[in-house]
Amino acid sequence: DGGITQSPKYLFRKEGQNVTLSCEQNLNHDAMYWYRQDPGQGLRLIYYSQIVNDFQKGDIAEGYSVSREKKESFPLTVTSAQKNPTAFYLCASSTDRDVQPQHFGDGTRLSIL
Amino acid sequence: GQQLNQSPQSMFIQEGEDVSMNCTSSSIFNTWLWYKQDPGEGPVLLIALYKAGELTSNGRLTAQFGITRKDSFLNISASIPSDVGIYFCAGQLYGNNRLAFGKGNQVVVIP
Repeated sequence: DGGITQSPKYLFRKEGQNVTLSCEQNLNHDAMYWYRQDPGQGLRLIYYSQIVNDFQKGDIAEGYSVSREKKESFPLTVTSAQKNPTAFYLCASSTDRDVQPQHFGDGTRLSIL
Repeated sequence: GQQLNQSPQSMFIQEGEDVSMNCTSSSIFNTWLWYKQDPGEGPVLLIALYKAGELTSNGRLTAQFGITRKDSFLNISASIPSDVGIYFCAGQLYGNNRLAFGKGNQVVVIP
């Protein structure tokens, strides 16, 4: 079945450590997105990519980095510069840059040790 | 980024009852989307609306795209326990694949 796979499901980070969250899709979607979700909040956009080798900052990009070397993969690195990284991270994809709905993975919960 | 206004924030309803929720914005959108999120999982798309005034159903769910293009509502009829979850609205502008999200409505169904 086609879908979006995020891994790991749970991740723990020590202070000063960088961690990378994986997002893979086999839907042949051009666009991919990373969101952060905090309790009681809507989704906030971190980074998005409309095409391979291109990506743009979202609303809360500070302390995060991404790459888009392959169409199916859009990993997110949470760097040590992100001082409050504990959150639920969601990856999404959509078919193209027009008004097509985004479909989400099952998320990664990141916690600080 | 823009946030949409969803109300109410939480609802406790009796099994079998209907429930309605709405989403408003100060901006016009070309697309309205409704998602449901279960605990610890990603949002799942329920209904997508593409035209002002459009009324679309998906089983017991019905959603409408407001004629002003600044609002949308979602109705769940004859609620069942598995309807429990958080319902998010999202708005999208044509030519801009960024979504604006509401904060979500927590629905609790009491058996």
